Amino acid sequence: DTAVSQTPKYLVTQMGNDKSIKCEQNLGHDTMYWYKQDSKKFLKIMFSYNNKELIINETVPNRFSPKSPDKAHLNLHINSLELGDSAVYFCASSVQGGTGELFFGEGSRLTVL
Amino acid sequence: GQQVMQIPQYQHVQEGEDFTTYCNSSTTLSNIQWYKQRPGGHPVFLIQLVKSGEVKKQKRLTFQFGEAKKNSSLHITATQTTDVGTYFCAGIRGDKIIFGKGTRLHILP
Repeated sequence: DTAVSQTPKYLVTQMGNDKSIKCEQNLGHDTMYWYKQDSKKFLKIMFSYNNKELIINETVPNRFSPKSPDKAHLNLHINSLELGDSAVYFCASSVQGGTGELFFGEGSRLTVL
Repeated sequence: GQQVMQIPQYQHVQEGEDFTTYCNSSTTLSNIQWYKQRPGGHPVFLIQLVKSGEVKKQKRLTFQFGEAKKNSSLHITATQTTDVGTYFCAGIRGDKIIFGKGTRLHILP
């Protein structure tokens, strides 16, 4: 049983397209996150949700819109994709926002051509 | 803003040699976490340090949290090929987790 699962694992698309990445956790955690990891391996937080409420939004362009239909799901929709959006996107969850260990999904590698 | 600096960025060691990565925060942290990411994999939690001056061991890995709770280190004794990967520290202050840029460890056989 995968604790934090993301789909799709790989995504190749053209500039200007819109795409979504889905994330689900079966750990019963209250807090979920999206992280972006660029080619240099830097891990940067994008969003954090606690019980479906947005807690952290780290200067991410408006083209990125997270949606949390319930506390077990946090999806990421990206409009008008740009070359610089190419990265690995990791979903993560934790028991308590900011203090508990993070459980990461396996990542979704997005390539924008 | 709050920053977490991690050095070195890269480290090549011969198998059997020791390895250390260091993490420094510009502000006092409530706690610090360490993660390991294997090549092609996702970050996996290793440990959390909470107390000032805390030292924890996991087999060949030793983790330290500084007295001022602003720095931390991870030391691996007698590295093995399975230690290959990127090691991240993550400083926690309030409800914010700030990741260091990671240290990529390469093991030469």
